[in-house]
This record gives sequence, C-alpha cells and structure tokens, in this order.
Amino acid sequence: AQKITQTQPGMFVQEKEAVTLDCTYDTSDQSYGLFWYKQPSSGEMIFLIYQGSYDEQNATEGRYSLNFQKARKSANLVISASQLGDSAMYFCAMRETSSNTGKLIFGQGTTLQVKP
Amino acid sequence: NAGVTQTPKFRVLKTGQSMTLLCAQDMNHEYMYWYRQDPGMGLRLIHYSVGEGTTAKGEVPDGYNVSRLKKQNFLLGLESAAPSQTSVYFCASSYADRSTDTQYFGPGTRLTVL
Repeated sequence: AQKITQTQPGMFVQEKEAVTLDCTYDTSDQSYGLFWYKQPSSGEMIFLIYQGSYDEQNATEGRYSLNFQKARKSANLVISASQLGDSAMYFCAMRETSSNTGKLIFGQGTTLQVKP
Repeated sequence: NAGVTQTPKFRVLKTGQSMTLLCAQDMNHEYMYWYRQDPGMGLRLIHYSVGEGTTAKGEVPDGYNVSRLKKQNFLLGLESAAPSQTSVYFCASSYADRSTDTQYFGPGTRLTVL
C-alpha cells in the first residue's frame, strides 16, 4: 500500500541557512506525483512544489527545491536561505495516477522552526 | 476568485448533535475532497467526489456523509457527533486526477465535540 514517511517530527534551522526536510514514499505505481505543502500557525495548507515520477530534473520554485531520488524513493524538500516566515509545519504528499481518484496520501509532517 | 472556501470556520457541538460543513470552490474543478487533521497525524481522507452527483469513501468515512449536488459545492455531514470527531476539517479541490493536478485547500474548519 502507498505510504509517505516523514521521520523528522521537528527541525531547527538558523535564519539564512539552508535546511532539508526528509520524505520517503512507498508505491508500486510507475506514475505518481509528489507534493509539498506548508501549514503555518494560521492553519491553511499552502502548495509549495510538485515533482512528477517521470520528471528527470528536480523541481524548483524560488527558494524551494525538491531533491528527488527515485531509486531510493525519496523526495526531500530543500529550503534555501531560511526566513523567519518559513517557520511552519511541512507535509509531503503523494498521488498515484492509477487510483483515478486524485486523492493525496500525506505524511505526518515536520515542524520547522527558524531561529533569528 | 476566492478559490476554496469553507463554512463555518469554528464550531462546538455536543455529543449526538448533527451539523453540515459546506465547501465551495469557484475554479470549476471536477474533483473535491474532505480531509481531517488530527494532532501528530497527517491529513486523512474522509470522502471524495470525482464529479457532480458522485461521492466515494476515503480512508476514514465512518460517522460522516457527503453530498455533491452542485459541481461547486461539497457538503460534509455529521449525523451524530462524537468526541472522536473533534478535529480540523479541510476541503480541497483539483481539476482532475492526473498526477500533476494540484489540490487546493480551503482554510479549514475547527470542530470540537464535547
């Protein structure tokens, strides 16, 4: 069965430094998508970045990049030049194309705190 | 363009009471979803809909019912609320079910059942 694992319940990073949030996944599908969402203390879910299973290059969106290692089934989020506003919970999620439902499977999340 | 909206934002119920959560989207999305978020856990899918008039069960459907009478609206009902249903509820929508289709989330409804 498909599963997303985020092994870091909490992380600290110094402002302006880079940080990597880990995500591993399990699926038997060949076609799938991987997503990262940010949930600040206000509670909303904000889409950050997407990586397709057939994409050869790692996805990037501004300060966010996704380190996709397909053979290891990992999709780590890298945040460069951390800012205080990056303090939030981050969720990794996966969608399998074969399910025809579009549903996402979420990891348990990682809480990131950026120190000034 | 409001995206995905949810009403109400907060609600307190007594055990056994019923209520309906409303989700609305103005992006002409076919697919809509209801998730719940509990402390220490990621979001879990309750029910979903792949189009107007359709609904299907997700991972944790017990105690909930849904309806999708209009394409833009997806209602989540609690027939007889229980303390175990205390949670934050999120609605989401996406254009289709392709792996590239991003799900957009509403702001959430915080429900407490006493």
